[in-house]
Amino acid sequence: SAVISQKPSRDICQRGTSLTIQCQVDSQVTMMFWYRQQPGQSLTLIATANQGSEATYESGFVIDKFPISRPNLTFSTLTVSNMSPEDSSIYLCSVRPPTGSEAFFGQGTRLTVV
Amino acid sequence: SQKIEQNSEALNIQEGKTATLTCNYTNYSPAYLQWYRQDPGRGPVFLLLIRENEKEKRKERLKVTFDTTLKQSLFHITASQPADSATYLCALDTHTGNQFYFGTGTSLTVIP
Repeated sequence: SAVISQKPSRDICQRGTSLTIQCQVDSQVTMMFWYRQQPGQSLTLIATANQGSEATYESGFVIDKFPISRPNLTFSTLTVSNMSPEDSSIYLCSVRPPTGSEAFFGQGTRLTVV
Repeated sequence: SQKIEQNSEALNIQEGKTATLTCNYTNYSPAYLQWYRQDPGRGPVFLLLIRENEKEKRKERLKVTFDTTLKQSLFHITASQPADSATYLCALDTHTGNQFYFGTGTSLTVIP
């Protein structure tokens, strides 16, 4: 299993500013995943972050808007840049340890942009 | 296009009854199908996994079926309790890549 600590748990931000979300895992993992969950909807994958390489972004998400860092095998950050109210959502990080098939999630960051 | 659809509306059932949630998919060939529970303000938590060559899986009061011909999975909670109230998500894991594709989720409320 894996335990993920994600912070902040929530934030209210002004439009035009940026927020960096941190995700710390208690074990080394190759891939970390960042998801967005808009109100009442399911999870949409933003990007996959590998240590030592550029993140791979899904269609509709770009690096300028959601830069990701992955400095080591237990840590990653996602930045939501130049925020607008449409970015209000829950952001989740996730890992999938190599020895198992299920995914583990952080508790999520509830972002409100005003 | 690829789609994963779950019960279109919230599900309300009486305590003690069996809750049945559906997950239908198109244009995927999943190697695994997984079910997660999500409580408000929390990340999803893994419940059960079923492989493409398995028809049924059980864990305590939970049962999952998987029909690759119908492209459907059913998730059953027997002897439901108010503590089972949550949103339940199905997720498909394909043979390629490492990411999951999540369904739309079903909100379940068990009424005492």
